[in-house]
Amino acid sequence: VQLVESGGGVAQPGGSLRLSCAASTFTFSRDVMHWVRQAPGKGLEWVAVISSDGRTTHYSDSVKGRFTISRDNSKNTLFLQMNSLRPEDTSVYYCARPSDFSAYYESWGQGTLVTVSS
Amino acid sequence: EIVMTQSPATLSVSPGDRVTLYCRASQSVRNNLGWYQQKPGQAPRLLIYGASTRATGIPARFSGSGSGTEFTLTITSLQSEDFAVYYCQQYDVWPPITFGQGTRLDIK
Repeated sequence: VQLVESGGGVAQPGGSLRLSCAASTFTFSRDVMHWVRQAPGKGLEWVAVISSDGRTTHYSDSVKGRFTISRDNSKNTLFLQMNSLRPEDTSVYYCARPSDFSAYYESWGQGTLVTVSS
Repeated sequence: EIVMTQSPATLSVSPGDRVTLYCRASQSVRNNLGWYQQKPGQAPRLLIYGASTRATGIPARFSGSGSGTEFTLTITSLQSEDFAVYYCQQYDVWPPITFGQGTRLDIK
């Protein structure tokens, strides 16, 4: 499984960005998918999860109401729409595929850097 | 939210050493605990899941143990490529999935 993120860059506080994660796997439409982030020099922070059919989502308290996770199974692509960005959202954002059986991450993308700064 | 606490924050060790890293959960996570290795500029890599099962391709010098709230990751005969940051992750009660703050292995 290969996961490739894109869409990172610099945004102003209050601005928006949309991240994408392209998956090269035949099972994407059956896979739950997550976003995990890592601030510079810091640890890993779970951000959001989406069910295989896209109907169920959950978010961390730190992004709830500002970020939206979605997917296009016809294009094997995961998205993260980030609105009302804050400086503390500055991080490398990884998409991650968990195991078929439980929520440990077997596959990670290379990450895309989001910098929120004026 | 389950809080994961790793210790120590940093460990200075020499190649060939045996090292044990610790991870504690604020409540029982049964054996739903994973360990990851992360090198600078790279994504994390899964080492251990189910507290003690090595992921595909992980060398036998890595071993995990524990259940409930106390877990360890042991690396025997440290190799140069093992100097990295190690994270534990609980996936028993979520959302949110939670990670420890990491343990950095430095070369002494």
